[in-house]
Amino acid sequence: GESVGLHLPTLSVQEGDNSIINCAYSNSASDYFIWYKQESGKGPQFIIDIRSNMDKRQGQRVTVLLNKTVKHLSLQIAATQPGDSAVYFCAENSYGQNFVFGPGTRLSVLP
Amino acid sequence: DAGVTQSPTHLIKTRGQHVTLRCSPISGHKSVSWYQQVLGQGPQFIFQYYEKEERGRGNFPDRFSARQFPNYSSELNVNALLLGDSALYLCASSFGQVNYEQYFGPGTRLTVT
Repeated sequence: GESVGLHLPTLSVQEGDNSIINCAYSNSASDYFIWYKQESGKGPQFIIDIRSNMDKRQGQRVTVLLNKTVKHLSLQIAATQPGDSAVYFCAENSYGQNFVFGPGTRLSVLP
Repeated sequence: DAGVTQSPTHLIKTRGQHVTLRCSPISGHKSVSWYQQVLGQGPQFIFQYYEKEERGRGNFPDRFSARQFPNYSSELNVNALLLGDSALYLCASSFGQVNYEQYFGPGTRLTVT
């Protein structure tokens, strides 16, 4: 079936640098996307969402970019902090269907 | 405000037993979805309930069942447990059925021995 995948399973960045986490999705009918952060032993935490009628959305220190032409989603974290270390998932949803998650990218923030 | 709550936090069962996991959604949310997350993987969709009716089912055997109560809380039941059922079971709630922000609870860690 359709699935969401991530290009990089692990990403290491220096504290204070910007992080970019990428996600490729395969269902061209997907029209709603969410980025989640999951810390060890906890449930996924909602970070930011975007609908297919937008190509960019900003939150506090985070920006999500959506490129429907190439079916690509990215999460940008500005001034990465140690507390940002976690596994990040993108999830896609097409109307009337369930959310599909990828395997996740582990972000490691180096001091 | 309370987020999504789940109970129990941890559970250890033996093969062949039955388990019931519980979830209370965020106040005002009418949709509850259940996911299974195996270590090192993303969550896999099991069920969605909205307004007490099953609205979606993932690729899981009939040993898995669920229901939603009038107060929108939900139970996930798993019969005839297998070792492979060991996972983190996550509950997520949202206001509506589709394309709404979905928030997760802390999960129930199930270990089958």
